[in-house]
Order: sequence, then structure tokens, then C-alpha cells
Amino acid sequence: EVQLVESGGGLVQPGRSLRLSCTTSGFTFGDYAISWFRQAPGKGLEWVGFIRSKVFGGTTEDAASVKGRFTISRDDSKSIAYLQMNSLKTDDTGVYYCTRGALVPFEYWGQGALVSVSS
Amino acid sequence: EIVLTQSPATLSLSPGERATLSCRASQSISTYLAWYQQKPGQAPRLLIYDASNRAAGIPARFSGSGSGTDFTLTISSLESEDCAVYYCQHRSSWPQTFGQGTKVEIK
Repeated sequence: EVQLVESGGGLVQPGRSLRLSCTTSGFTFGDYAISWFRQAPGKGLEWVGFIRSKVFGGTTEDAASVKGRFTISRDDSKSIAYLQMNSLKTDDTGVYYCTRGALVPFEYWGQGALVSVSS
Repeated sequence: EIVLTQSPATLSLSPGERATLSCRASQSISTYLAWYQQKPGQAPRLLIYDASNRAAGIPARFSGSGSGTDFTLTISSLESEDCAVYYCQHRSSWPQTFGQGTKVEIK
């Protein structure tokens, strides 16, 4: 069974950092890209970025709203993807989801991790 | 960036009625469109991919159509469990944008 589980969310002050983890199981992690999405309270879904598999260079693409502040990485030995969020703003508040793949229909999602940015 | 515009914002129908949700893209996206259902406190659930293909385990009352810039999600006979927000999303290029959502309410 394919599973993705986000962790690392919490309350953080503006300007500080937080790292989310996406722990996966049930599939060969190294064969897939991993995407991150977020959803502000009461709002719609927003693509944050994704990381390609090592076969495709392991490179990343990021949304303009997070470029230069957020970094996506992966540890294929642990089947975990990370979202490092720096210089957090109140607008970054929301639920963050990881999904399997990129530029594909997203069949598998994590349960989400809540990030609250507030002083 | 491709903008997806969904209509209506809210749809209020009775059980058994037919629901028709629309999604319009700002430029052609071929059939690279998916529909998701999201209930409160839950992650999105893939319903339809590539405009008209039902995802695994999705009931036959859900169907999708369209190509280019105009797409439709149809729920043939509403059930109470279909109360949710429905989003369209393209995968034509990045950023993979979503529509703003249509909330389906059951009378």
C-alpha cells in the first residue's frame, strides 16, 4: 500500500525556519518525483514545488511565491523527501501536502502537516 | 501561468439530481486536466484524470469531459456523501495550477 506521511509542522514566528518531512512506503521511492502542495485556511490548493528522481537529475522546480526561501530535497536511502522553509511569512500558513510524482495525476497524498506562522 | 476558472462557486442540489461543474483554462491544455474532491480536514482525492478517465475506485456516477480550454465534471445522481469542494487541476506545464473550487452542497 502506497503511503505518504508528512511531519514537522507546527507554530513558528515570522522570519524563522521549519523543515517538513514526507516519509513514504509501499513503492520504490527512488523511481519517483515528489511534489509539495499547500492550502491556506479556507482557501484553495497551491503547488509549492517538486523534486525529480535521481534518474532525471534530482533537480527541483519551485513556485514563484517560495523561490529562494523554500528548498526541496530527498534521501532515497530513507525514502523521505524534505521541504526546508526559511524566512517564513504569515502568508505561508496552511496545510502542506506531499504527493507522489510530478506533472501527473496525483493519486496518492499524505494527510497533511499544519504550519502556522505567527508572532 | 495557466489560470483555471471554475463555475459556479457553489452548487446546491437535492439528492438524486445531476450536478454539472465547469472548469475553463486560460489557454489550451489538451486533455491534461484532473478533478479532485476534498472534504473538510481531508487531503484531495483524485476523481478524474486526463479529462475523462475515472481513477481507481471512483463510482461510475462521476464522469468528466472536455478538451482544450473547456472541461466539465458531471455527477449523474447526487448522493449525500458527495458534499465536498471540487477542484480542477492541469498538468500541462508548471506551475500546475488549480481552479478556485466549486462547493457542492446537498439540500
